[in-house]
Amino acid sequence: DVKVTQSSRYLVKRTGEKVFLECVQDMDHENMFWYRQDPGLGLRLIYFSYDVKMKEKGDIPEGYSVSREKKERFSLILESASTNQTSMYLCASSLRVAGAAYEQYFGPGTRLTVT
Amino acid sequence: AQSVTQPDIHITVSEGASLELRCNYSYGATPYLFWYVQSPGQGLQLLLKYFSGDTLVQGIKGFEAEFKRSQSSFNLRKPSVHWSDAAEYFCAVGAGTGGFKTIFGAGTRLFVKA
Repeated sequence: DVKVTQSSRYLVKRTGEKVFLECVQDMDHENMFWYRQDPGLGLRLIYFSYDVKMKEKGDIPEGYSVSREKKERFSLILESASTNQTSMYLCASSLRVAGAAYEQYFGPGTRLTVT
Repeated sequence: AQSVTQPDIHITVSEGASLELRCNYSYGATPYLFWYVQSPGQGLQLLLKYFSGDTLVQGIKGFEAEFKRSQSSFNLRKPSVHWSDAAEYFCAVGAGTGGFKTIFGAGTRLFVKA
């Protein structure tokens, strides 16, 4: 089974702090994604990566950056955390194969609170 | 623009009753369609998917979904709901090239009463 792990389940940070969220997958997937999930809004794509050192902006990239130095690891960075970034953050991965590329495997999520 | 609509924010059904969760999508070509389930405090788990072929697809946990092109719908069904099915359900459509864009609906929260 594909396993996607996220470094923290719960995180509390102060406004202005730099925050790192880590995600690791063990199935050699090319694609990796970061979403945020807010009630009533579903999942919104922040960034995705289709290869090492490659990244593309999603729908809501403002205030975030990402890093993918190794194939299995995809990091989300909040350069200066703000209260409106309080949310659930979900990492996902998928193969880069037609059709199957959309079948994503998710980590358990990190609930981030910025105070 | 591509979109996914789940008209019901929440649904309550009695244990043992049948279930249908609605999903409508907007996409120009034949889409890749998915249903995911999210238990409280967990990530999303794939229930089933439709790529092509038979429009009635079977998934895990006794769920099924039917693709109706004429109605742009992909409704999820289960003949008899169990208390453990209480969760949030997301419909999603794979759009764009290269698997870079999956659009999720806002979700439907299912409550199961004894």
